[in-house]
Amino acid sequence: GNSVTQMEGPVTLSEEAFLTINCTYTATGYPSLFWYVQYPGEGLQLLLKATKADDKGSNKGFEATYRKETTSFHLEKGSVQVSDSAVYFCALTQDKANNLFFGTGTRLTVIP
Amino acid sequence: GAGVSQSPSNKVTEKGKDVELRCDPISGHTALYWYRQSLGQGLEFLIYFQGNSAPDKSGLPSDRFSAERTGGSVSTLTIQRTQQEDSAVYLCASSAYRVVTGELFFGEGSRLTVL
Repeated sequence: GNSVTQMEGPVTLSEEAFLTINCTYTATGYPSLFWYVQYPGEGLQLLLKATKADDKGSNKGFEATYRKETTSFHLEKGSVQVSDSAVYFCALTQDKANNLFFGTGTRLTVIP
Repeated sequence: GAGVSQSPSNKVTEKGKDVELRCDPISGHTALYWYRQSLGQGLEFLIYFQGNSAPDKSGLPSDRFSAERTGGSVSTLTIQRTQQEDSAVYLCASSAYRVVTGELFFGEGSRLTVL
């Protein structure tokens, strides 16, 4: 089956610290992988995606590389800001699936 | 506004009552999804509508749950005889694409509390 496992939070970092949020997946085929972000009081929004092995998705200083050999899609940012405080969700979909499979989300708090 | 709109934003009900949750997707989006987010859980897929095709209801947890999408636009999720375990945030999302690309636009959700 399909599933996504994320590191448990919450994660608290100081401004300008390096961020890694781990995500691993189980899938029967060749999934596409996504990170969604939910800022306080807002709906989830797509942050970045990668559709095949070794692809790197990037947006707003965040990056994630699709690693087929380790079935991982870890989210990284070199220098976080207070405005990055949010809940981050890793997700996958398959070609013929009708939905996204989401992880449980990781809450990030960045303190000045 | 141009985003996905959900109502009500908060609903408190008594066990055994029926509730209706509404979703107004982005204009022109053919795909519409309902998800449920329970405390400490990931998003749980409930149902998927795509154009005029028969919906994928495979995620509905029981026959107390149903959803409609009228005219290919607005959708209503109905929960009959609510139970306390139905308490969650119900999220609606829409997409412009006819195949699943994973690029969904989410509303802010309807928080349901069953007492």
